[in-house]
Amino acid sequence: DTGVSQNPRHKITKRGQNVTFRCDPISEHNRLYWYRQTLGQGPEFLTYFQNEAQLEKSRLLSDRFSAERPKGSFSTLEIQRTEQGDSAMYLCASSLQEGGTEAFFGQGTRLTVV
Amino acid sequence: EDQVTQSPEALRLQEGESSSLNCSYTVSGLRGLFWYRQDPGKGPEFLFTLYSAGEEKEKERLKATLTKKESFLHITAPKPEDSATYLCAVQVRPGGSYIPTFGRGTSLIVHP
Repeated sequence: DTGVSQNPRHKITKRGQNVTFRCDPISEHNRLYWYRQTLGQGPEFLTYFQNEAQLEKSRLLSDRFSAERPKGSFSTLEIQRTEQGDSAMYLCASSLQEGGTEAFFGQGTRLTVV
Repeated sequence: EDQVTQSPEALRLQEGESSSLNCSYTVSGLRGLFWYRQDPGKGPEFLFTLYSAGEEKEKERLKATLTKKESFLHITAPKPEDSATYLCAVQVRPGGSYIPTFGRGTSLIVHP
């Protein structure tokens, strides 16, 4: 296993278009997180899954955002009707279990909305 | 309300000049504190996990320590390749979620 994989690495889209990102976690990890990071800031929590169940969503996650993790494996994050304010690095991380275990991050997807 | 505060925001060192980065937290029920390194345009790379006050972890030129209110990342005789942003995250259990919460990071530049 080579770690958490995210695709695409970069995405440029026009305002109003829909985009979808994919995350493949480390295979035995049952927790999967999505974060968003803008320049000069730390990662901000968006949502997380425990296996296939989406257990919590941040209030940052507007109704234009949706995430899925079918069968508890890979996850997708979709942004509908993109806005310029959505431009950011979207990071996915996975961890083995709940408390006290570190999360491992992918390389992120850089989204630019023009 | 910020749960994790990192200082300084930016730090410039000369090669070989040791220093420390600070991460202070205002949470109860700390389950774990994590340090990550992030290079520009890349995802955070895991460095250390600390669980309880008094604990220390080391890796090459880096040493992380934890008290009841803060953590320090000590960098001994840094090299230019240590230049990166260092992120601190705390894992608490409000409502049983264990979601890692990050600080804004410290941007470190080491000049040769």
